[in-house]
This record gives sequence, C-alpha cells and structure tokens, in this order.
Amino acid sequence: SQQGEEDPQALSIQEGENATMNCSYKTSINNLQWYRQNSGRGLVHLILIRSNEREKHSGRLRVTLDTSKKSSSLLITASRAADTASYFCALAEGGATNKLIFGTGTLLAVQP
Amino acid sequence: DAGVIQSPRHEVTEMGQEVTLRCKPISGHNSLFWYRQTMMRGLELLIYFNNNVPIDDSGMPEDRFSAKMPNASFSTLKIQPSEPRDSAVYFCASSPYRGWETQYFGPGTRLLVL
Repeated sequence: SQQGEEDPQALSIQEGENATMNCSYKTSINNLQWYRQNSGRGLVHLILIRSNEREKHSGRLRVTLDTSKKSSSLLITASRAADTASYFCALAEGGATNKLIFGTGTLLAVQP
Repeated sequence: DAGVIQSPRHEVTEMGQEVTLRCKPISGHNSLFWYRQTMMRGLELLIYFNNNVPIDDSGMPEDRFSAKMPNASFSTLKIQPSEPRDSAVYFCASSPYRGWETQYFGPGTRLLVL
C-alpha cells in the first residue's frame, strides 16, 4: 500500500496568514482525507474528497485534488493560534484494500 | 455522543508484563480500527474489524499482539509479553462506513514499557 508524502514537514506562520500543505501519492485512490491532531490528542477528521471531485470547502478549509498529478492540497485561510497542530493526509485506495494509509504529517505552528 | 472511549489513557508497565487496552466505539458504528503511533514509524494500522469480524490484521507486528471484538460495543488489544519497543500511543477509531471512509478517533492510550 502507498503512503501519502506530505510537504512541508513543518510550517510556521503568523496569525491571519494562510497555510498551505500538500500531499502527493503514487497510485489511484478512492478518496483522500485530511485529519488534524492536536498535541497529545486523537486525530480529528477534517474533510474527505473523492477521486471524482476537484475541490471541497469546509469553513476556512479548502481542499483540492488533482488526480492527474496525484496530489492534494489543504489550504487554511486566516489562520488562528488554535490551528496549531499536525495535519495528516490519508489515502483510501478502496476496493480490496479496506483501509486508510496515513502520511507522515505536516506540523503547523501559528504564531499569535 | 460520547465519542470513542479508550482506557486506560496512560499505562506504564515493565517488560514481560501483559498489557490490555480497551476501546468502546461510537454506538452504531460497524467498523473498528486499532492504530499505533510512534515518532519513527508514524501512524500504523494494526487491525481492522467490520461487524465484529477481523478483516485485515496484516499490521499486527507479531504474535505477541492480539485483538478481539466480542461484541459491537467493545474491543481489546492485548500485548503479551510486552517489550520496550512496544512503547507508543495506541489509538482506536470507529466508522459507520467501510474501512476507507471517515474515521472517528479516540483519545489514545499512551503506553510506556520499561
């Protein structure tokens, strides 16, 4: 099974700025998901985008998916200190592979 | 809804001891997952149950690890005997869907094996 590769590994920005993180993968997917993990906590699902979708929004989050480039990006607009967390993409290959494969994550620090 | 409940939240044990981690999934969810998270290896899926039946246990590291789901509201992950390299955070997650849809994570059990 493949694993998403996330870029950058770490990102530090000022409150109010936008944060963009990327996830690349190698083979076809059923869907791609983004999760957030605050320090010492469990992962929280943010958004799911299916292979036939190109863009989804949820509040200040915008996710794009380019299946031709095998990549996805997560944009957080007008960031807040509370957005400080690790962000993971998770790949769902679907079919016989009944599971999600999580990437290594991007550590986002939003400075107040 | 209470969310996924895991116990204990922290466990410190000595090498060779048996460790049992517990999970109560969200009511109505028919898929349950056990993950392990370490700095070195990231988040790894250990085992996946659907309707209480193990579907994929290819991530279970070795025979020292075993998992059961006797009913829809309870699952255990057991390590016997435990080793220092088992130290990690163990997460349980559940989903009302198949394995590749949205998952809901518990707070995790932080395990330290001395």
